[in-house]
Amino acid sequence: GAVVSQHPSWVICKSGTSVKIECRSLDFQATTMFWYRQFPKQSLMLMATSNEGSKATYEQGVEKDKFLINHASLTLSTLTVTSAHPEDSSFYICSAVRLVSTDTQYFGPGTRLTVL
Amino acid sequence: EDQVTQSPEALRLQEGESSSLNCSYTVSGLRGLFWYRQDPGKGPEFLFTLYSAGEEKEKERLKATLTKKESFLHITAPKPEDSATYLCAVQDWGSNDYKLSFGAGTTVTVRA
Repeated sequence: GAVVSQHPSWVICKSGTSVKIECRSLDFQATTMFWYRQFPKQSLMLMATSNEGSKATYEQGVEKDKFLINHASLTLSTLTVTSAHPEDSSFYICSAVRLVSTDTQYFGPGTRLTVL
Repeated sequence: EDQVTQSPEALRLQEGESSSLNCSYTVSGLRGLFWYRQDPGKGPEFLFTLYSAGEEKEKERLKATLTKKESFLHITAPKPEDSATYLCAVQDWGSNDYKLSFGAGTTVTVRA
């Protein structure tokens, strides 16, 4: 159990367009989901915390108008990168915390975003 | 502010050569210490959670231990498939929403 999926696994887009990334917990309900960004050979950088039915909490330095997060249900959170630019190119990873065991984060496989 | 330091940065092992990875941490109140494995281009895979000093957990060739200041991940008789980056993270009782603070990771390469 504790499987988290992400879609798409990779995406290439033109500068100025918006991209939506989905994160789903497949076999459990998630109270909280997290969105991370990872640059090559670096560790995970937390971008925001998403709770079902409420506004996301963004980490310092993360633009909330650029990285829109929606947590519509206990199994789905989406990250939309608006007006993407080449510097937004990165590996985006989500994680989810079980409703019944709220400590361990289970991670998705990640989404590779390349902005041309 | 929580701090997590992992050492060494990189570790090259011969198949069968046991070794240990270190994770030292500073946290106001430890809720849990987590070990993850990450393969290139993939999301982290959960390995262990440790909650209190003296606790140990094992999974195949991996064994994690915890003291009040650090955790060790022991790899016994590693195989090439154990090659990965191992991430340590802590969760603080004082933080909201069960956030994790990650170390930079140790990249392990096991040669056949």
